Amino acid sequence: RKEVEQDPGPFNVPEGATVAFNCTYSNSASQSFFWYRQDCRKEPKLLMSVYSSGNEDGRFTAQLNRASQYISLLIRDSKLSDSATYLCVVNTDKLIFGTGTRLQVFP
Amino acid sequence: DTGVSQDPRHKITKRGQNVTFRCDPISEHNRLYWYRQTLGQGPEFLTYFQNEAQLEKSRLLSDRFSAERPKGSFSTLEIQRTEQGDSAMYLCASSFRKNTEAFFGQGTRLTVV
Repeated sequence: RKEVEQDPGPFNVPEGATVAFNCTYSNSASQSFFWYRQDCRKEPKLLMSVYSSGNEDGRFTAQLNRASQYISLLIRDSKLSDSATYLCVVNTDKLIFGTGTRLQVFP
Repeated sequence: DTGVSQDPRHKITKRGQNVTFRCDPISEHNRLYWYRQTLGQGPEFLTYFQNEAQLEKSRLLSDRFSAERPKGSFSTLEIQRTEQGDSAMYLCASSFRKNTEAFFGQGTRLTVV
């Protein structure tokens, strides 16, 4: 079983849609959690950290469920510029990445 | 620019040659990570440092791979006797300390022909 698992997608959604990505992790000792965004042939860039209480940054909301070892990312009012791969990252003293979920937003 | 810097950005080498990549982390970042990424996959962990100490090396790495971080500043990743399967993007990242977010360099794209 992979340490961090994500649905690879792709998720094809129209502009304005709400889309949710899920991620599960296997190491219950994981300390911190993040979502990164990666554009084609570019480096990953931090989108947001994920806290147990949940956190929101504009149109983006991240949730963490430690009991179920589950992380989610919700994107509201999708924009064309949101098209990218979204990487779930779990920190177990080192950063472990999921394979990423590809999002394509169409007009 | 005070971000993570990697050099070179691109490297084409013949099979069997040795290559070395350099990473300069963000100043005062104690942790430095190396990852490898191939098309359609997430970054795969290779190794990481806390200051100058190498804390872990992936079991997936063969003995052809070695990394150093002398004096806890920049780091180098060397691949000896390159193989076509080594073709990938090699990413470096740094973080201020354990459990904090990491920031990536633009990567070194290696092509082994």
